[in-house]
Amino acid sequence: SSELTQDPAVSVALGQTVRITCQGDSLRSYYASWYQQKPGQAPVLVIYGKNNRPSGIPDRFSGSSSGNTASLTITGAQAEDEADYYCNSRDSSGNHLRVFGGGTKLTVL
Amino acid sequence: QVQLVESGGGVVQPGGSLRLSCAASGFTFSSYGMHWVRQAPGKGLEWVAFIRYDGSNKYYADSVKGRFTISRDNSKNTLYLQMNSLRAEDTAVYYCAKDPPYGYGDYFDYWGQGTLVTVSS
Repeated sequence: SSELTQDPAVSVALGQTVRITCQGDSLRSYYASWYQQKPGQAPVLVIYGKNNRPSGIPDRFSGSSSGNTASLTITGAQAEDEADYYCNSRDSSGNHLRVFGGGTKLTVL
Repeated sequence: QVQLVESGGGVVQPGGSLRLSCAASGFTFSSYGMHWVRQAPGKGLEWVAFIRYDGSNKYYADSVKGRFTISRDNSKNTLYLQMNSLRAEDTAVYYCAKDPPYGYGDYFDYWGQGTLVTVSS
């Protein structure tokens, strides 16, 4: 099975831009998806595919990918963006197994 | 609107069994693949299992293979997870999550609120 690596914690000043990264071999073949999780709540999809946002997700959230690294960028971070963020992709074996990154705790200062 | 409601969680002794259910509504359940994802207390998300829309193929994480079985009843719009030989490390909130339309990619577009499973003597 493959692994996805995320920084455990990242901080950003209110209104500034922050990038959360996710590294793994599977990202050379498959897009990452990104999930926001606030304490006591279920995860919520924020980015999928090349750079797609579900309905209701603010356009300050964007995604990108290069080589074995996927990134989630929040442009103009808001206090309500403080949460845990997880990346996910299909396993590099090519079957339907999925793998999550370890998660990044985002603090908005 | 899409709703996924998990049930069946509780406290079980090591070595015991439990069956989780996920009742789906607001979409054509029989047309979508479904997943189980879990989260141990204070830990990250872990993908557990996937079942195709028609139940024809099932896939499992190595950590649960041979002990857990995913299944579905499309006539009841319900997803299941049969968990046997439970271990302390299976203690987690278990979420069901929906696949997008076929061919749209690999992600989980809707999640339930989760059900807590505690394995303890």
